[in-house]
Amino acid sequence: DSGVTQTPKHLITATGQRVTLRCSPRSGDLSVYWYQQSLDQGLQFLIQYYNGEERAKGNILERFSAQQFPDLHSELNLSSLELGDSALYFCASSADSGGVTGELFFGEGSRLTVL
Amino acid sequence: TQLLEQSPQFLSIQEGENLTVYCNSSSVFSSLQWYRQEPGEGPVLLVTVVTGGEVKKLKRLTFQFGDARKDSSLHITAAQPGDTGLYLCAGVLIELTFGKGTLLTVNP
Repeated sequence: DSGVTQTPKHLITATGQRVTLRCSPRSGDLSVYWYQQSLDQGLQFLIQYYNGEERAKGNILERFSAQQFPDLHSELNLSSLELGDSALYFCASSADSGGVTGELFFGEGSRLTVL
Repeated sequence: TQLLEQSPQFLSIQEGENLTVYCNSSSVFSSLQWYRQEPGEGPVLLVTVVTGGEVKKLKRLTFQFGDARKDSSLHITAAQPGDTGLYLCAGVLIELTFGKGTLLTVNP
């Protein structure tokens, strides 16, 4: 158990819909990362938050947005969903002070299927 | 273009065999990490290598960081079915970037 909790574990929805994925980091970790994993692209970095503020941005689509709340949990919002958005979405947390130098602790992921 | 290229993409071997998987890049990294991901779970860190030429051993797993800090290898001795999983290397330029991984299957 990594200590990172993600909900829901599985989600099936239709094209054009909007979903929210939720992540609770390990106790004490201030950094939260979101990754998308698909068979063809592998594990792709989407975005990082540190103590409520956006710290780094990767290949995140404009249809996607995220935020980190004062209690440090984070949400990833995916809108106008397309078939190609079907993937595993991972949240990870770390104790790093903003820059990535140490270990990332991953949740078990949220599997999104868009039909 | 993938920043970190891992090879082979798939590897299926028998229990007791040795194997090596590779992680290569044209970029220089201050450190490289290796993670293992099992089905239905998130990646779990195995090791971090930080010095060019460094060799780290973790039981039957040996990790090496290239002298130029552009590549790394993972060698497993006497593989066991419990070693089955997706092995990912990752390096930091700005954010932590992952290779696509080597999917290892160890058959009993």
